[in-house]
Amino acid sequence: KAGVTQTPRYLIKTRGQQVTLSCSPISGHRSVSWYQQTPGQGLQFLFEYFSETQRNKGNFPGRFSGRQFSNSRSEMNVSTLELGDSALYLCASSLVPGGGNTIYFGEGSWLTVV
Amino acid sequence: AQRVTQPEKLLSVFKGAPVELKCNYSYSGSPELFWYVQYSRQRLQLLLRHISRESIKGFTADLNKGETSFHLKKPFAQEEDSAMYYCALSFSGNTGKLIFGQGTTLQVKP
Repeated sequence: KAGVTQTPRYLIKTRGQQVTLSCSPISGHRSVSWYQQTPGQGLQFLFEYFSETQRNKGNFPGRFSGRQFSNSRSEMNVSTLELGDSALYLCASSLVPGGGNTIYFGEGSWLTVV
Repeated sequence: AQRVTQPEKLLSVFKGAPVELKCNYSYSGSPELFWYVQYSRQRLQLLLRHISRESIKGFTADLNKGETSFHLKKPFAQEEDSAMYYCALSFSGNTGKLIFGQGTTLQVKP
């Protein structure tokens, strides 16, 4: 069974550009969440999607957005990139939200903003 | 506000020594607590959760609601236990949102 797959794995962008990151959850998983990981702030929750609906959103500016498609695949977008957006972006999936369901993480997308 | 605190950034022990990774949380409801581990060059993975009351790779963790703690313990550390460990809290109800601590690097020396 394939794990959570994230693309691209590495990317470099310039300040002011935008970026789209993609996540394919484990087959059958309908809940997808995103996290930002940085050395200073650690792992911070970005958003959670289930059945194409955003259920929770973390404390990030509106430049960070996401969506989920009918096949449960998810994308997140960051517009007007800033240097501080350089981070590892992790996607995670589970069968459904909560209920003790195990959350599985992808390997992440490394974003560097220059 | 909900918060998870791991007071130690680095814990260094010798092989065979006992290990205790500390985790404290603040949450007014009924939390679900987890320990995640990230080995070098591997993805973050679930180690154990409090509701299962299980022992994984010799690790155990007990939820102490009075002290709001969920410390991770292992009686005899092995070199392969060297990794980054994260304590995480999930809210009761139908949400997959996790609040993570800052993580503790466990270094087991031979």
